[in-house]
Amino acid sequence: EIVLTQSPGTLSLSPGERATLSCRASQSVNGSSLSWYQQKPGQAPRLLIYGTFTGATGVPDKFRGSGSGTDFTLTIDSLEPEDFAVYYCQQYADSPPRYTFGQGTKLEIK
Amino acid sequence: ELQLVESGGAMVQPGGSLRLSCAVSGFTLEDYTMHWVRQAPGKGLEWVSLIKWDGVSTYYADSVKGRFTISRDDSENSLYLQMNSLRTEDTALYYCAKEGVTPREGYYDGSGNYLKQYYYYMDVWGKGTTVTVSS
Repeated sequence: EIVLTQSPGTLSLSPGERATLSCRASQSVNGSSLSWYQQKPGQAPRLLIYGTFTGATGVPDKFRGSGSGTDFTLTIDSLEPEDFAVYYCQQYADSPPRYTFGQGTKLEIK
Repeated sequence: ELQLVESGGAMVQPGGSLRLSCAVSGFTLEDYTMHWVRQAPGKGLEWVSLIKWDGVSTYYADSVKGRFTISRDDSENSLYLQMNSLRTEDTALYYCAKEGVTPREGYYDGSGNYLKQYYYYMDVWGKGTTVTVSS
């Protein structure tokens, strides 16, 4: 089973800065199966990115996904107050079908 | 509008049972794979189970296999999670989620057959229902 490790656990930045969040897989992952979610306190997760690169409907271009193999990155440009949240990466495997989440990165206001 | 509304969460003793429901509106269950995902207090997300669009194929995380059963009622357009032999570590907020599927570039296998490929993700989530297992 693939394990996803996100770093850092907590990232403290100021509004206007750029955030770089990492997701590392324990073995090579099909990039088409890698997604990112945002979760704010008291809310359900929200899909941001799927297939490593593709923004979900309604997601601003400031959220950018990249990576391949075992290393994936979510970059958030020009942070705004509403961007401070917990971010999870997720991987889909199809034999058998199952999903795995990373443990999350908390993006907090510095 | 696509909407998922979970219900059925409660406090239950260890060893007890509970049935969660997820009422679906804005789309037809038969057309999509559906999931249950949970989140223990202060913790991250954990995938629990899925039922494929065919309504027959079901899969479970190892942590719940043999204790939980996912099902759906197409006439009610509802998804369910029957949870038996509950443990304190099952305490969590339980979300139902719809799987999104987007076609992507396929490829030809060694026999010349074109294999379709897809992106898979969870694109619609409910607000969750809370399960507490405690004596």
